[in-house]
Amino acid sequence: QSVLTQPPSVSGAPGQRVTISCTGSSSNIGAGYDVHWYQQLPGTAPKLLIYDNSNRPSGVPDRFSGSKSGTSASLAITGLQAEDEADYYCQSYDSSLSGSEVVFGGGTKLTVL
Amino acid sequence: QVTLKESGPALVKPTQTLTLTCTFSGFSLSTSGMRVSWIRQPPGKALEWLARIDWEDDKFYSTSLKTRLTISKDTSKNQVVLRMTNMDPVDTATYYCARITGGFGGSYFDYWGQGTLVTVSS
Repeated sequence: QSVLTQPPSVSGAPGQRVTISCTGSSSNIGAGYDVHWYQQLPGTAPKLLIYDNSNRPSGVPDRFSGSKSGTSASLAITGLQAEDEADYYCQSYDSSLSGSEVVFGGGTKLTVL
Repeated sequence: QVTLKESGPALVKPTQTLTLTCTFSGFSLSTSGMRVSWIRQPPGKALEWLARIDWEDDKFYSTSLKTRLTISKDTSKNQVVLRMTNMDPVDTATYYCARITGGFGGSYFDYWGQGTLVTVSS
């Protein structure tokens, strides 16, 4: 299983707001490492959606927002649109006795009803 | 404009060594701060980070796979190569290369290649 825990699926109707959680521990998110989010549309490569917890790259609609608190982070999507149906992954760093490395969440499938 | 593209065999046999090449443009791995990683994704499963190489030729590997991985770069060709030994059917996945941005502990992947599907089967 993944070091970062995400719900396997979430759903919402067009126009609604949904949130996706990303839960870590004291060796990753809780250690102060930033959280980043990626959107993966069906059959395509992941695309950077949120970086450094809450920043949007150029071109990403402000319907997408991120936050981080303690050992968790969240991605919120407001005004859901059909085109938002995709898999979403959180990413951070994990530092343990064996070293530091990039870690991903298990992914969350968003279904727009 | 930054682009990355993966290339390599679509099919490898168990126990063989996989060699993948990431050819990129729009940046140089000889520039301070530039880094490239390999990430894979088994069909229907989550992303898994594999390895990273930096502009100074520093190399980092997944703890669980480091005995099987070798990453290298050819700056003159704008290429990063990943070798994975002793391939097994569980290594069947789409392999991506991606550029890294950000500082240590806060780095993220701002540009990704399209990915290449590698199937391990006899």
